[in-house]
Amino acid sequence: SAVISQKPSRDICQRGTSLTIQCQVDSQVTMMFWYRQQPGQSLTLIATANQGSEATYESGFVIDKFPISRPNLTFSTLTVSNMSPEDSSIYLCSAGGQGTYGYTFGSGTRLTVV
Amino acid sequence: GQQVMQIPQYQHVQEGEDFTTYCNSSTTLSNIQWYKQRPGGHPVFLIQLVKSGEVKKQKRLTFQFGEAKKNSSLHITATQTTDVGTYFCAGHTNAGKSTFGDGTTLTVKP
Repeated sequence: SAVISQKPSRDICQRGTSLTIQCQVDSQVTMMFWYRQQPGQSLTLIATANQGSEATYESGFVIDKFPISRPNLTFSTLTVSNMSPEDSSIYLCSAGGQGTYGYTFGSGTRLTVV
Repeated sequence: GQQVMQIPQYQHVQEGEDFTTYCNSSTTLSNIQWYKQRPGGHPVFLIQLVKSGEVKKQKRLTFQFGEAKKNSSLHITATQTTDVGTYFCAGHTNAGKSTFGDGTTLTVKP
């Protein structure tokens, strides 16, 4: 299965600023996914990132707030824009899907907005 | 939309006791996956079930997929402290939609 390197692992940011989270996969993958997870809660899908096309966002998430890049088959970024304390959460990228190895997750980015 | 409900939300057991978490989907699934997330960690894939009535075992873990492909369970026999974490199911439909359950957090008292 793929191995995903995600960074930063954590950050504390001022409200109104933006943070870009990066995920590097050790193999080429068609789709990558971005999730948000509040501590102690489930994973909420933000968007699906396909190489060569715009990301597909889930209900409640918009491109202006969470722009995503997918420049090639091994890399993706998620930007959390104009942050507010409500954006404090853990953000996870993922690749893979329905198959023998399931979804592989990055180690997560713990974001605190002050 | 698709909903995946998981119970219980929390389970506290004495080491050596058994543990079961249940997952129920509002729609028929093409397959279901199970993940384990250790405290402070990220979800790690455990297994995928595809066939109606399928049962799979991994050492002390037994996974079942219901006949109607709408429910699933994970059973751990004789829990150990290393089993601590949150167990998530993820239901997948033929339309390619994936939905994670809310998770069951297991604590094990030595």
